[in-house]
Amino acid sequence: KQEVTQIPAALSVPEGENLVLNCSFTDSAIYNLQWFRQDPGKGLTSLLLIQSSQREQTSGRLNASLDKSSGRSTLYIAASQPGDSATYLCAVSPNSGNTPLVFGKGTRLSVIA
Amino acid sequence: DGGITQSPKYLFRKEGQNVTLSCEQNLNHDAMYWYRQDPGQGLRLIYYSQIVNDFQKGDIAEGYSVSREKKESFPLTVTSAQKNPTAFYLCASSIRISTDTQYFGPGTRLTVL
Repeated sequence: KQEVTQIPAALSVPEGENLVLNCSFTDSAIYNLQWFRQDPGKGLTSLLLIQSSQREQTSGRLNASLDKSSGRSTLYIAASQPGDSATYLCAVSPNSGNTPLVFGKGTRLSVIA
Repeated sequence: DGGITQSPKYLFRKEGQNVTLSCEQNLNHDAMYWYRQDPGQGLRLIYYSQIVNDFQKGDIAEGYSVSREKKESFPLTVTSAQKNPTAFYLCASSIRISTDTQYFGPGTRLTVL
């Protein structure tokens, strides 16, 4: 059964610092990997989707990489800002077809001004 | 203005009562999902539906029921059989199961008194 792990569970950094959030998954047979952001008491917002054939995706200050063979993905946030404070969740789409996403528990990020 | 709506935002229920949470989308998506989120536990899948008049149990379906009579609507009923229903409930949709970005509603916080 696919399992997704995100470490650390929480992270606090000063404003302006570049940072990396980690995601690992146990089964490399995935269709894609998605990163989401969740603000307290809100729904999730999709940030980036990486297809299994891709190595990375970029959106503004965000860059997500995927190493499918090793079961790892990273989300790089450049020049962090207090507005980046949120929980970031990683999810993988199993390659078995017609199977919902499997989510990690998320990393809670605090960017201190 | 396309998106997913959930109502109500906050819901209070007495023990032993059934309650129905609403989820509506105007994105013309075939797939819809219900998740439960508890502190420190991440997202857990309750039910999902790939198409109208079809739905499957997720990881924690016991004590819940759903229907999918219309493409745009996927209501969730929390029954009195659910032993610990107090949680944050999130609805989501995507074009197809797993292969596309999931879009989330704002959530409903259910409290059992």
